[in-house]
Amino acid sequence: GAGVSQSPSNKVTEKGKDVELRCDPISGHTALYWYRQSLGQGLEFLIYFQGNSAPDKSGLPSDRFSAERTGGSVSTLTIQRTQQEDSAVYLCASSMQTATNEKLFFGSGTQLSVL
Amino acid sequence: AQSVTQLGSHVSVSEGALVLLRCNYSSSVPPYLFWYVQYPNQGLQLLLKYTTGATLVKGINGFEAEFKKSETSFHLTKPSAHMSDAAEYFCAVGSSNTGKLIFGQGTTLQVKP
Repeated sequence: GAGVSQSPSNKVTEKGKDVELRCDPISGHTALYWYRQSLGQGLEFLIYFQGNSAPDKSGLPSDRFSAERTGGSVSTLTIQRTQQEDSAVYLCASSMQTATNEKLFFGSGTQLSVL
Repeated sequence: AQSVTQLGSHVSVSEGALVLLRCNYSSSVPPYLFWYVQYPNQGLQLLLKYTTGATLVKGINGFEAEFKKSETSFHLTKPSAHMSDAAEYFCAVGSSNTGKLIFGQGTTLQVKP
């Protein structure tokens, strides 16, 4: 596609429910990143994929968070048993190689609201 | 470990005035440094980056930043602000062996007419 696509753009859920957030990176981009943007917190790194493997998942806040990437393309971020503190904008980004060698292209994000 | 601190969550300048957004980093390895900008209702985009070589880096829209190792800083400047510069600016640090960027908290730039 022309850019990084994320779906849904908005998600409202009840506390305790599971949610899945999807990211379609730019075709041919091997690196894919998930960040979380909260008010006053900036961008918080969650996980980084190179192809289908995740060399760095150090930013996942708890074991309720998981992510996978299949076919070197689409990635899904899953949050189990959502809590109110999970409310944030979840951003996906991709790059040709890595973010330090090539610029990151960001999606528009998924606004997650946990009631 | 790497980290970034942006001094000032909000900066307000008059149109035509100097823009200075401050960024300090911490890194145990030679850093790669970036500024990204998020215009209202748009995704983040790269403004400029420093990896190696010349310490004064020029980016899009007249912005530039200087890497000062002795001060562990990478401040962003623009000589004359335009209304269209109003946005949120993020400083980020990475390295050749991590593959990821660590972002700061962001600075919202307001430009007054």
